[in-house]
Amino acid sequence: DTEVTQTPKHLVMGMTNKKSLKCEQHMGHRAMYWYKQKAKKPPELMFVYSYEKLSINESVPSRFSPECPNSSLLNLHLHALQPEDSALYLCASSPAGAFTDTQYFGPGTRLTVL
Amino acid sequence: AQSVTQLDSQVPVFEEAPVELRCNYSSSVSVYLFWYVQYPNQGLQLLLKYLSGSTLVKGINGFEAEFNKSQTSFHLRKPSVHISDTAEYFCAVRNSLGNEKLTFGTGTRLTIIP
Repeated sequence: DTEVTQTPKHLVMGMTNKKSLKCEQHMGHRAMYWYKQKAKKPPELMFVYSYEKLSINESVPSRFSPECPNSSLLNLHLHALQPEDSALYLCASSPAGAFTDTQYFGPGTRLTVL
Repeated sequence: AQSVTQLDSQVPVFEEAPVELRCNYSSSVSVYLFWYVQYPNQGLQLLLKYLSGSTLVKGINGFEAEFNKSQTSFHLRKPSVHISDTAEYFCAVRNSLGNEKLTFGTGTRLTIIP
């Protein structure tokens, strides 16, 4: 298995909702990343987990809460989002510690906040 | 600090014509370089990467890139494009020390004209 999977593909939520994005990889990678991508822009790094510990938080608002239950799974919990948080959320993984290897990206979850 | 510049935001090319997408980088240490492709409504897919060794790197879908250290460039080329190559192309850089995040360029939109 050489891919990163993300669910759901699309998500529409209201500003008072709580939802979660899920990312999974079975390549034995030990670093996992969340990126946010607005239309016609490059991905922006949000969080990095290295060996299941949060190693980087790029000053992301607390309404985004990451979780890494095990080495294969990465979640992003969403609560009280704003319309400007609408974007494509990309998960990526790399073999060893943060930034030391090539990152492989999932297909993304397209989030719309109403 | 590292940075990457993609000067061309949009490149229209006729089908079966050659194409070159330009990427220049800046870094105080040696770097690793990547090209990612993003098809409409999809995530990022690794096209090719330069880590070390031969400066001419071949990737998937007939693309290749040449690392030029003196010109700090990593331009992407394909001798004959197809309609299916229509996508956004991102150049990315990270330093070889592995202590900085992957930095993306602003992307180049390649449009193939039938």
